[in-house]
Amino acid sequence: SQTIHQWPATLVQPVGSPLSLECTVEGTSNPNLYWYRQAAGRGLQLLFYSVGIGQISSEVPQNLSASRPQDRQFILSSKKLLLSDSGFYLCAWRNLGQNNGYTFGSGTRLTVV
Amino acid sequence: QKEVEQDPGPLSVPEGAIVSLNCTYSNSAFQYFMWYRQYSRKGPELLMYTYSSGNKEDGRFTAQVDKSSKYISLFIRDSQPSDSATYLCAMTLNSGAGSYQLTFGKGTKLSVIP
Repeated sequence: SQTIHQWPATLVQPVGSPLSLECTVEGTSNPNLYWYRQAAGRGLQLLFYSVGIGQISSEVPQNLSASRPQDRQFILSSKKLLLSDSGFYLCAWRNLGQNNGYTFGSGTRLTVV
Repeated sequence: QKEVEQDPGPLSVPEGAIVSLNCTYSNSAFQYFMWYRQYSRKGPELLMYTYSSGNKEDGRFTAQVDKSSKYISLFIRDSQPSDSATYLCAMTLNSGAGSYQLTFGKGTKLSVIP
């Protein structure tokens, strides 16, 4: 079966510290992968998506970056966190060629203090 | 005008009530429509998916699409406290190839009171 793993579940980081969130998918190959941020009252904001290894598309310019070093691994990073980076970060995947929406991970709640 | 409009609520109903959740959209090119349910502090999960105008039923849930009015709805019959969650509508333009992206509504927070 196909599963998506996202960690950590909760993270509290000081302003200016680095960030690394990891997402892995099992049971599928060549998925499309997505990073979203969800802030209260603002809905889901697409940050990055990837259609293959090393291929990253950025939707919103900011101090975050993403990488896809392996087919089923997607990493969200920052060199220096800002207070405004606080939020609920969600990784999602979908099978290429299938039109049945995304499958989301369980999310990481990031609080920058 | 935002592409997808969804009343954020909150919506509070008594157990057993019929719930109606709605989204409107501006882009007539949207072809595929979904509803996600998100429990507090969890990721959204796909609840219903449809691509044609009309109704699709799954147990207590009915998804309705009216492409002529650019309006979609999710009906929950005999609502239960376990239905308390945020419901997000989502839609997409293409059939699944390439850089497929969903456009989401902001979500409606529903509380079903026992």
